[in-house]
Amino acid sequence: GDSVTQMEGPVTLSEEAFLTINCTYTATGYPSLFWYVQYPGEGLQLLLKATKADDKGSNKGFEATYRKETTSFHLEKGSVQVSDSAVYFCALPGGSQGNLIFGKGTKLSVKP
Amino acid sequence: GAGVSQSPSNKVTEKGKDVELRCDPISGHTALYWYRQSLGQGLEFLIYFQGNSAPDKSGLPSDRFSAERTGGSVSTLTIQRTQQEDSAVYLCASSYVGGAGSYNEQFFGPGTRLTVL
Repeated sequence: GDSVTQMEGPVTLSEEAFLTINCTYTATGYPSLFWYVQYPGEGLQLLLKATKADDKGSNKGFEATYRKETTSFHLEKGSVQVSDSAVYFCALPGGSQGNLIFGKGTKLSVKP
Repeated sequence: GAGVSQSPSNKVTEKGKDVELRCDPISGHTALYWYRQSLGQGLEFLIYFQGNSAPDKSGLPSDRFSAERTGGSVSTLTIQRTQQEDSAVYLCASSYVGGAGSYNEQFFGPGTRLTVL
């Protein structure tokens, strides 16, 4: 079945550092790919998405490119802020009922 | 407009008691999903409703779990005879259209944190 493998954290960075969180997937066909973010004490929010190969999703300075050749959707940000501290989940709608299949999440802590 | 809401936000119960968790999806969203987030299991899918129907209940962890949806809107997840391993955050999500092959964005509620003592 479809699956998502995501680098596990925690990841601790200093403010203004470069961030990469790796995500690879296994899927039948070419589903949309998502990054969700969960800030402390809050629910999941969609951060960005890409609907087809070579698409780049972007939001709040974060980017991820849908790479069919490497089955990857790595999340990047050039300069992280303290406010980016959260748990990040890579996901795809690969379940038999359209449910999202999530990676295990990567906790990011950004220090001032 | 209003997002997905869930109640209660926190629930502490004693082992063996029944609990009922509620989800109010975004108005007009026909698809509703329940997920569970726990430390050991990450985010796992529980059940999907298209309208008031749940075509496949095999994702529910045990027969102590049940869910219903009425009026194509509010959904309740009921856990009978709660056990300590049921402690988790229960998340609800809705989308405009759901089901296999649907790539619509799912909007999540804030979750209900269930603690079973």
